[in-house]
Amino acid sequence: ETGVTQSPTHLIKTRGQQVTLRCSSQSGHNTVSWYQQALGQGPQFIFQYYREEENGRGNFPPRFSGLQFPNYSSELNVNALELDDSALYLCASSSKDRRSSYEQYFGPGTRLTVT
Amino acid sequence: AQSVTQLGSHVSVSEGALVLLRCNYSSSVPPYLFWYVQYPNQGLQLLLKYTTGATLVKGINGFEAEFKKSETSFHLTKPSAHMSDAAEYFCAVSVSGGSYIPTFGRGTSLIVHP
Repeated sequence: ETGVTQSPTHLIKTRGQQVTLRCSSQSGHNTVSWYQQALGQGPQFIFQYYREEENGRGNFPPRFSGLQFPNYSSELNVNALELDDSALYLCASSSKDRRSSYEQYFGPGTRLTVT
Repeated sequence: AQSVTQLGSHVSVSEGALVLLRCNYSSSVPPYLFWYVQYPNQGLQLLLKYTTGATLVKGINGFEAEFKKSETSFHLTKPSAHMSDAAEYFCAVSVSGGSYIPTFGRGTSLIVHP
């Protein structure tokens, strides 16, 4: 069973640029959630995708967007980067199956630095 | 909406001492409760979870937590701390009305002294 993977591990961008982060979900999972974790904070929910449709969104502006592909992998896109976007971005996969308790499995994260 | 409060941003214990990390939640419906651990520069790893049934749940690495509805608490304990337990710990709550999307606390950093 393959776990959740994310790429790249680290990224440095300039303010105003755009970035795409990628996530491969765990085998058998159909749901992917993205979180932003600022330094010293808990993860903040960005959005969730279930079967290629957005299934919930946190308090993030529209310049944060995403996609989920037929193989359930996912992308997070951030446009017009701001300094405050510097954070660890976590992807988590899960299965919408009550038996799983909607337990989320996290990837190692992508560290984004905006200068 | 659900929320989580973790009391104490830092907890310091000696190796071999009891570990107690506090978590209180707010939810208008029965919650699912989770504890995750995060080591430096890594993602979150699930330690244990409560969904229904037995209120004392056991997790990995010797950790356990007890769901106390009357106190709206889900504190994490370990009888004897090990140096390798030093990490950031996050409590999270999810509910059916929120599509089971977890809300995380701000985390507690566990420091273990030799």
